[in-house]
Amino acid sequence: EIVLTQSPGTLSLSPGERATLSCRASQPISSRHLAWYRQKPGQAPRLLIYGASTRATGTPDRITGNGSGTDFTLTISRLEPEDFAVYYCQQYDTSPETFGQGTRLDI
Amino acid sequence: VRLVQSGAEVKKPGSSVRVSCEAARDIFSTYSFNWVRQAPGQGLEWMGKISPSTEESHYAQRFQGRITITADKSTGTALMELVRLTSQDTAVYYCARGARGPVTLFDSWGPGTPVTVSS
Repeated sequence: EIVLTQSPGTLSLSPGERATLSCRASQPISSRHLAWYRQKPGQAPRLLIYGASTRATGTPDRITGNGSGTDFTLTISRLEPEDFAVYYCQQYDTSPETFGQGTRLDI
Repeated sequence: VRLVQSGAEVKKPGSSVRVSCEAARDIFSTYSFNWVRQAPGQGLEWMGKISPSTEESHYAQRFQGRITITADKSTGTALMELVRLTSQDTAVYYCARGARGPVTLFDSWGPGTPVTVSS
């Protein structure tokens, strides 16, 4: 199965700053079948990005996904209080679907 | 899309648990319904899925033999049963909607069902 490794494990930033989260796959992900989710405490994950770079409905344009092959990034410019949460990447290229271990974005 | 899950469960080791997920009947057969679990303080783990239109189910290898996912099109309900529970199965179990293909992303999630396995 494809293993996704996210870095860093925890990222401590302040509102207004820029965050860059990384997701590296153990083998190339074709057709950019990579999604990003945000999870706030006590809530279910919410889809932010799919196809590596397409924003889901309701995702603000200050959140950007990029990458291909084995290296993907999620960038959040101008952090707002709602952005402080845990972020997961997920590949849907090869069964079984797998998730990264998550990056916690802390104030 | 609203997914409604059944309530929290407390189970003994060795027993089984059933968790349901209800969706709108008019879209139920258009998607797959997946189960993703999250142990306390841990990440997300895909367990399996069902496509109600074909009634085909697929399971992650590590759950093979312990998990069964079924779907009732008349009620728009997907049901996940996990047997031979151990303390390692203590987790929040999420129902998540996906596409009908062999692999999928998850565009809508239920609120989660906490399952505690304890003697």
